[in-house]
Amino acid sequence: DGGITQSPKYLFRKEGQNVTLSCEQNLNHDAMYWYRQDPGQGLRLIYYSQIVNDFQKGDIAEGYSVSREKKESFPLTVTSAQKNPTAFYLCASSLEGNSNQPQHFGDGTRLSIL
Amino acid sequence: SQKIEQNSEALNIQEGKTATLTCNYTNYSPAYLQWYRQDPGRGPVFLLLIRENEKEKRKERLKVTFDTTLKQSLFHITASQPADSATYLCALSNTGGFKTIFGAGTRLFVKA
Repeated sequence: DGGITQSPKYLFRKEGQNVTLSCEQNLNHDAMYWYRQDPGQGLRLIYYSQIVNDFQKGDIAEGYSVSREKKESFPLTVTSAQKNPTAFYLCASSLEGNSNQPQHFGDGTRLSIL
Repeated sequence: SQKIEQNSEALNIQEGKTATLTCNYTNYSPAYLQWYRQDPGRGPVFLLLIRENEKEKRKERLKVTFDTTLKQSLFHITASQPADSATYLCALSNTGGFKTIFGAGTRLFVKA
């Protein structure tokens, strides 16, 4: 079955540590996205990529970095510069990077601070 | 700034009744409006997309309306079932771009 796989499901970060969240899709979608979800708030866009080897900052990119070396993969690194990283992180993809396309989401990674 | 408002209070209804969820928005003129379902600890799942020139859209027991004058969408689930219990997210987007803005969602509980 096609879909998006995020790993790990739970992740703990120590102070000063960078951690990387994995996102893999086998839907053959061009566009991929990273969102952060906090209680009582809508999803906030961190980064997006419309095509391989290209990505753009979203609304809250500070303290995060991404790469898009393969169509299937869009890993997110939460750096030590992100002072409030505790959240539920969601990866999504769409067939194209057009706003009329529904997004397909993974089941998220919950990141906490140790 | 652009804002989406969904009722933060949970909606509790009895099985078999129609659930109606509201999405209001300000400072935005969306071309598309989407509804997603999210279960606890899971990612959102796409349900329906409605365009600005469509007043209503249906899919099985789901119905969505889109009133661009009132800046409001209503999401209805008819003959609700306990399995419909989840959080429902409203999302807006415009033409010529990639960005989708998501509301915080409304939690629905359907009692047997």
